[in-house]
Amino acid sequence: QVQLKESGPGLVQPSQTLSLTCTVSGFSLTSYNVHWVRQPTGKGLEWMGVIWTGGTTDYNSALKSRLSISRDTSKSQVFLKMNSLQTEDIATYYCARDWYNNFDYWGQGVMVTVSS
Amino acid sequence: DVVLTQTPVSLSVTLGDPASISCRSSQSLEYSDGYTYLEWYLQKPGQSPQLLIYGVSNRFSGVPDRFIGSGSGTDFTLKISRVEPEDLGVYHCFQATHDPFTFGSGTKLEMK
Repeated sequence: QVQLKESGPGLVQPSQTLSLTCTVSGFSLTSYNVHWVRQPTGKGLEWMGVIWTGGTTDYNSALKSRLSISRDTSKSQVFLKMNSLQTEDIATYYCARDWYNNFDYWGQGVMVTVSS
Repeated sequence: DVVLTQTPVSLSVTLGDPASISCRSSQSLEYSDGYTYLEWYLQKPGQSPQLLIYGVSNRFSGVPDRFIGSGSGTDFTLKISRVEPEDLGVYHCFQATHDPFTFGSGTKLEMK
């Protein structure tokens, strides 16, 4: 059965780097794209970026200078790294599987706070 | 970037009544291949979003037929023919036609 699960530190200091992992099961990263989406508390969803089945990536232009998405197919893991974190980056971060440019399965999300 | 404007921001309905949500795009969402990458997601309280409608009007697996998506170009609508208790939550439209992909600001459906 298809599952995605985000993990990572819930607290990051200002100006530091956020590192999150999305561990997937029930499908291969070489067959499905995986996206990252975030949601500030009480606000709307923001698409962050995607790693395609071939390993290339695309990013939201608003985050491109700070964001990196990579993967380890042998471990079925997708990684998100975003540097220079500020309070505006406080949000729940989701990974989601891409099914013909739709998100058919989502992780439960991981909440990230930025504070010293 | 494409801006998706959802209206209303919130919607208070009586169980069994219909509901309608609009999603208006700042640009046409028809891709060069003729497909329109407009989707609707429902985010129930405390949960991750779930896919309801893709390609404007196609219901995802398991989605009840009371959910009806329609529209073209820049104007899209999600209708619920008879609202059920499990339909409560925030509805998001989403476009994957233009890079970067974008979501609408959401519409909260609540019961009267």
